[in-house]
Amino acid sequence: GAVVSQHPSRVICKSGTSVKIECRSLDFQATTMFWYRQFPKKSLMLMATSNEGSKATYEQGVEKDKFLINHASLTLSTLTVTSAHPEDSSFYICSASRATGYNSPLHFGNGTRLTVT
Amino acid sequence: QKEVEQDPGPLSVPEGAIVSLNCTYSNSAFQYFMWYRQYSRKGPELLMYTYSSGNKEDGRFTAQVDKSSKYISLFIRDSQPSDSATYLCAMKVQGAQKLVFGQGTRLTINP
Repeated sequence: GAVVSQHPSRVICKSGTSVKIECRSLDFQATTMFWYRQFPKKSLMLMATSNEGSKATYEQGVEKDKFLINHASLTLSTLTVTSAHPEDSSFYICSASRATGYNSPLHFGNGTRLTVT
Repeated sequence: QKEVEQDPGPLSVPEGAIVSLNCTYSNSAFQYFMWYRQYSRKGPELLMYTYSSGNKEDGRFTAQVDKSSKYISLFIRDSQPSDSATYLCAMKVQGAQKLVFGQGTRLTINP
């Protein structure tokens, strides 16, 4: 069964508003979660690494003030797209590793399709 | 040159055929190799996870890693229409959590 839950699965918002996406690890604690963005028919692009209790690490070219990440607990990370614009419309996916240590596979949530009108 | 190369396809085969999906890579430090299956509008689902070279089998799926050639493969036996999806290879170095993905191959199994 699913080990990572993501909510909502789909959201439509108006330009200029903010949208929050939640990512939860189910029955395990995840000190690190990852946020990806995927364009149609393209591979996953890592946006940021979310660390519990500390600031997220953003990949080059990703605006940290636009994509706010909060990892307040060991089972929850949130991504807030602030002042969304149509170009932010995309498929956002989070992931987490089930086990401790760096050599465990990542499991992904089912993604959130964001449409900004 | 991308770190991981994967033919995006699309690849279309008849039901029951053996499917071969492949990725090549340039970073010899990659030690962990994964295959994910992604259905349309869903997140990637982990199919296979292997360490270093060798083969791993799970049901109809077999993953192969040839580190000397920097080449990994996923074989699907007795392919089913439900196998129709995009298949992503991913890999990482020892001690790292970041994955490097291939572009993904779109596969269609025709009944």
